[in-house]
Amino acid sequence: EAQVTQNPRYLITVTGKKLTVTCSQNMNHEYMSWYRQDPGLGLRQIYYSMNVEVTDKGDVPEGYKVSRKEKRNFPLILESPSPNQTSLYFCASSSAGAGGSGYTFGSGTRLTVV
Amino acid sequence: SQQGEEDPQALSIQEGENATMNCSYKTSINNLQWYRQNSGRGLVHLILIRSNEREKHSGRLRVTLDTSKKSSSLLITASRAADTASYFCATDDSWGKLQFGAGTQVVVTP
Repeated sequence: EAQVTQNPRYLITVTGKKLTVTCSQNMNHEYMSWYRQDPGLGLRQIYYSMNVEVTDKGDVPEGYKVSRKEKRNFPLILESPSPNQTSLYFCASSSAGAGGSGYTFGSGTRLTVV
Repeated sequence: SQQGEEDPQALSIQEGENATMNCSYKTSINNLQWYRQNSGRGLVHLILIRSNEREKHSGRLRVTLDTSKKSSSLLITASRAADTASYFCATDDSWGKLQFGAGTQVVVTP
């Protein structure tokens, strides 16, 4: 089944403790992206990647890192999480091509930083 | 920053009625997409309309795009309780940089 898999689904952590949220897709998509969703603010893009070793900042990249060493994986790293990073996070992927195509989203990771 | 803005923020209708929501955006786009999100779940892609298209249909969905007004509309015909969800428009103005609006919350009552 074509899908984007995020782990973990839920995570509670303490301020300053480094964490990684994994994202993997099995569709051979070039584009991958991370979003956070907060009430009243909709989805905001954190980082995106157009292909292996190519990443770029979205609208809210502060406090986050990403890497794209392989096509299928796009982990999101919080080096020193803070309470304002408590949010619902989504990873998404899409194939390239003229006109683009819709994104396939993961099921989300609900992160709480205390 | 949000590119798209949906209107209305919330919509409550009865089963069988049509639901219409609108999306306005600010800059030129390659395409515009609509997504559905059930509470707390991942977004599901519904339909994509390219900048050179004016109307597109998919099942009970009808999307229009007016690039001169920088606006789009999503019509759901003959709504069902299962259509209860939040609906988001998203604009693609450069490859990979998809930007979402804040969404329209639709409630369909039996």
